[in-house]
Amino acid sequence: ILNVEQSPQSLHVQEGDSTNFTCSFPSSNFYALHWYRWETAKSPEALFVMTLNGDEKKKGRISATLNTKEGYSYLYIKGSQPEDSATYLCAFMVYDKIIFGKGTRLHILP
Amino acid sequence: GAVVSQHPSWVICKSGTSVKIECRSLDFQATTMFWYRQFPKQSLMLMATSNEGSKATYEQGVEKDKFLINHASLTLSTLTVTSAHPEDSSFYICSARDFGEGTEAFFGQGTRLTVV
Repeated sequence: ILNVEQSPQSLHVQEGDSTNFTCSFPSSNFYALHWYRWETAKSPEALFVMTLNGDEKKKGRISATLNTKEGYSYLYIKGSQPEDSATYLCAFMVYDKIIFGKGTRLHILP
Repeated sequence: GAVVSQHPSWVICKSGTSVKIECRSLDFQATTMFWYRQFPKQSLMLMATSNEGSKATYEQGVEKDKFLINHASLTLSTLTVTSAHPEDSSFYICSARDFGEGTEAFFGQGTRLTVV
C-alpha cells in the first residue's frame, strides 16, 4: 500500500513569518512528486512537479525541495501573506497512479 | 494550465437512484483520468484510474459494480454511482493527465454528492 504522509496536519502562521511543511513518501518506484495548493471551493492547483532527486523549485515566495532517496519533500513559504491560506497537498506519483497525502491546512493570522 | 471541467458541482439524489458525474478535458487529451473521493477531514482517496479505451483499474476496497467508470474518449470520463446510499455521500473529484506531456495532472472542480 502506497502511503503519503504530510505534517503538520494544520498550521497557524503569523502574517510575514516564514514556514515550511513536510511530505514523506515511499522511496521505491518513484516517478514524480507533486505539490498542490487547494483553496476552498476551487480546484487543486499544481504548484510544483518534481522528478529528480535534489530538485529545488521556486515560484515567487514558495519553494520546494525533493529527496527521493530518503523519501521526503519540503515546501517553504517565505513571508506568509493572507492569500497563502489554503490546504497544501503533496502527491506521490508512480507510473500509473497518483496518491495524495492528507494535506497541511495553513492559516495565516493577520 | 490545462482545464478540466467536472459536472455537476453538486447533486442531491434519493437513495437507490444512480448518479452520473462527468469529467471533461477542454484543451488537452486526457489519456489517463483519476477519480478520487474525499471524506470529511480526510485525504483525497484514489478510487480508480482509467486509460482511454480501457477498463478502469480500481483500488482495493472500491466496488467496481457500484462505481462505474467509463473513459470512452480522450476528453471525457464518467463516474456513475449506482444504487446510491447515504454512505456514498461524499466529495468526488476527477483529475486528468496527458501521458505524453509530462507528469502533471489537472483537476476538475469536484462534485458534492448527497444521498437522502
